[in-house]
Amino acid sequence: KQEVTQIPAALSVPEGENLVLNCSFTDSAIYNLQWFRQDPGKGLTSLLLIQSSQREQTSGRLNASLDKSSGRSTLYIAASQPGDSATYLCAVRHTGTASKLTFGTGTRLQVTL
Amino acid sequence: DADVTQTPRNRITKTGKRIMLECSQTKGHDRMYWYRQDPGLGLRLIYYSFDVKDINKGEISDGYSVSRQAQAKFSLSLESAIPNQTALYFCATSDLQGGGQHFGDGTRLSIL
Repeated sequence: KQEVTQIPAALSVPEGENLVLNCSFTDSAIYNLQWFRQDPGKGLTSLLLIQSSQREQTSGRLNASLDKSSGRSTLYIAASQPGDSATYLCAVRHTGTASKLTFGTGTRLQVTL
Repeated sequence: DADVTQTPRNRITKTGKRIMLECSQTKGHDRMYWYRQDPGLGLRLIYYSFDVKDINKGEISDGYSVSRQAQAKFSLSLESAIPNQTALYFCATSDLQGGGQHFGDGTRLSIL
């Protein structure tokens, strides 16, 4: 059974810092990996999608990497801003099981002034 | 307008009541999903559907049922609600080409 772990569970950084969020998964037979952002009481906003054949994806200040063989992904946020404060979730889509996603429990990020 | 719309956004009800949560989408996606989110447990899949005639159980389907009324509509029912079904419920969609999933804003359900 696929398990997805996100460390740390919570993180507080001052504005302007670069930071890395980690995601690990136990079964490397994945189709893709998706990073989401969730604001309190809100839905999930997709940030980046990395296919299993890709090593990284970038969008603005965000960069996500994928090392499938070691079961790891990182989300790098450059020059953090208070508006980046949210919970960040990673989810892996399995191969051979249609489109089902397994989610991590998230990293709650707070960026302080 | 949101691409994936869930109604209601909030619902408080009593144990034993029948509840229906609705989801509609304008993305034209064939695949639709229902998840629940509980603190400390992450999101877990309840049911998913790949087209109108296809319904599949997820990892926590007991106590729930679904109906895919049209390509754009997927509803989740709790036939007899119980307090441990109190959670945040999300609907999601995806296309056939391996793209990511797109989520609605969620329904916060409280069962007293």
